Amino acid sequence: DTAVSQTPKYLVTQMGNDKSIKCEQNLGHDTMYWYKQDSKKFLKIMFSYNNKELIINETVPNRFSPKSPDKAHLNLHINSLELGDSAVYFCASSREGRAFFGQGTRLTVV
Amino acid sequence: KQEVTQIPAALSVPEGENLVLNCSFTDSAIYNLQWFRQDPGKGLTSLLLIQSSQREQTSGRLNASLDKSSGRSTLYIAASQPGDSATYLCAVYPGNTGKLIFGQGTTLQVKP
Repeated sequence: DTAVSQTPKYLVTQMGNDKSIKCEQNLGHDTMYWYKQDSKKFLKIMFSYNNKELIINETVPNRFSPKSPDKAHLNLHINSLELGDSAVYFCASSREGRAFFGQGTRLTVV
Repeated sequence: KQEVTQIPAALSVPEGENLVLNCSFTDSAIYNLQWFRQDPGKGLTSLLLIQSSQREQTSGRLNASLDKSSGRSTLYIAASQPGDSATYLCAVYPGNTGKLIFGQGTTLQVKP
């Protein structure tokens, strides 16, 4: 069983569209994250949730809205997609800093 | 503000060499440090995690060390193989459900 799973793996969409990425973890962790990896491979935190509550929001545009319906899920909804949103988005979960990452969602905005 | 730096950014070695990847961080108040491996187009795989109270961790041909006071960690890879080719990332965790802060990574190529 995959510990942290994201869907979809690839997402190609036009500017202005709204899209969602889903993430699920079966590790029983309380903390989940969304990271963005840019073209230079640098991983930057976007959001962190602990027990379904938002605890970190790293100056991400309001077009990005995370939602955690329960501790095992953290979804990312993006409104009005822009070219600059093209990147790989990683979901992760952790317990006491030991983190497990999903396979990533490669988002391409055209 | 915590900053994590990895040197070198890229490294190419012939198969069989022993090598060291470096990671430095500016704030020594960390809970743990984790080394990850990322293959092209793939996610991150955790290699080793060192708690702040530990000095090193070993897994197979990999050995990671931590010197918290000087803000440094190294990942030692013994007898490198072409299959070790990947990007290696280190990340520090401050504790208290904070965020993992990543370095820029070292891209390793091991040539047969």
